[in-house]
Amino acid sequence: GENVEQHPSTLSVQEGDSAVIKCTYSDSASNYFPWYKQELGKGPQLIIDIRSNVGEKKDQRIAVTLNKTAKHFSLHITETQPEDSAVYFCAATDDSWGKLQFGAGTQVVVTP
Amino acid sequence: NAGVMQNPRHLVRRRGQEARLRCSPMKGHSHVYWYRQLPEEGLKFMVYLQKENIIDESGMPKERFSAEFPKEGPSILRIQQVVRGDSAAYFCASSPNSGAGANVLTFGAGSRLTVL
Repeated sequence: GENVEQHPSTLSVQEGDSAVIKCTYSDSASNYFPWYKQELGKGPQLIIDIRSNVGEKKDQRIAVTLNKTAKHFSLHITETQPEDSAVYFCAATDDSWGKLQFGAGTQVVVTP
Repeated sequence: NAGVMQNPRHLVRRRGQEARLRCSPMKGHSHVYWYRQLPEEGLKFMVYLQKENIIDESGMPKERFSAEFPKEGPSILRIQQVVRGDSAAYFCASSPNSGAGANVLTFGAGSRLTVL
């Protein structure tokens, strides 16, 4: 089955700096890679996703890159703000439905 | 659109009791998923259901856990004879019925189970 590893487990950045979170996956058949943001006491919220037919996707200050050859994908947050502080999870699946394999999460702390 | 609704938000049970968690999917969604999140860990898939059908329960413990999604009403995750190790946050998610968005999940706020 699929195995997703996520690094780092914690990330502290100063407001305005960039944050990068990296994930690797094991199943070359995986074709959908979402990123979720989870704030304390809340459910995960989808922030961006990418499918295997593209290498990069951007939405305002958030971007995701995918390297299918190396089987890794990354989340980039630019111009970080305090409200970006949360736990971020990557996930992967080779299914056409929602059985996702999640990474262990990255606690991002943005300090003013 | 109220999103994915879960209740109760918090549930406390003593060892040996039963826990019932409910989930109503987003309007227009008929695919429901249950995930479990242990403290300081990521989410683990438990079960995928469509109306009146369990499609994939490969992540569900073989004993004490069951799930259903009846024709009418919410999906229910049932845990019998709870043990302390069942303490976790249980998240429900739903997705569109078909097409390219069928694996795009919307999560609820979760039900946090504490077993004393």
